Amino acid sequence: GENVEQHPSTLSVQEGDSAVIKCTYSDSASNYFPWYKQELGKGPQLIIDIRSNVGEKKDQRIAVTLNKTAKHFSLHITETQPEDSAVYFCAASEGGADGLTFGKGTHLIIQP
Amino acid sequence: EADIYQTPRYLVIGTGKKITLECSQTMGHDKMYWYQQDPGMELHLIHYSYGVNSTEKGDLSSESTVSRIRTEHFPLTLESARPSHTSQYLCASSGKLAGVWDGTQYFGPGTRLLVL
Repeated sequence: GENVEQHPSTLSVQEGDSAVIKCTYSDSASNYFPWYKQELGKGPQLIIDIRSNVGEKKDQRIAVTLNKTAKHFSLHITETQPEDSAVYFCAASEGGADGLTFGKGTHLIIQP
Repeated sequence: EADIYQTPRYLVIGTGKKITLECSQTMGHDKMYWYQQDPGMELHLIHYSYGVNSTEKGDLSSESTVSRIRTEHFPLTLESARPSHTSQYLCASSGKLAGVWDGTQYFGPGTRLLVL
């Protein structure tokens, strides 16, 4: 089955700087890669996703890149703000009726 | 914003009590999931369902049970709660987009359970 590794487990950056979270996956058949943000006391919320026919996708300050050859994908947050502080989860799936395999999460701390 | 609801949001209960955590979604999604999560930690899949009358066990063994009598409803039951069941329980659903499985899971707000 699929295995997703996520790094780092904790990331502390100064407000205004960029943050990068990286994930690797094992199943070359995986073709859907979402990122979730979980704030304290809430359920995870989808913030951006990418499918295997695309190498990069942007949404304002957030971008995701995908390298299918190396089987890794990354989340990039630019101009970080205090409200970006949360736990971020990456995930991978073959699509179809299969579920998602999640990484273990990254605690992102934005220092004022 | 996803239309998936969980009740109660918080529950404090004594050992040995029977509890049911409710999860409902109004998106018509066929597939639903239950995850167990300690605060800020990784998500563990404990149950999922492909549709009405379908229930499957997830990757993490759990003493809880689930049922799926209606598409929109996927309750989780613990017959006899114990302190080891203290955790956050998250419900999610996924469906089809233009007849094709979308893959995206939409999460509810979670139920925080404390068993004394």
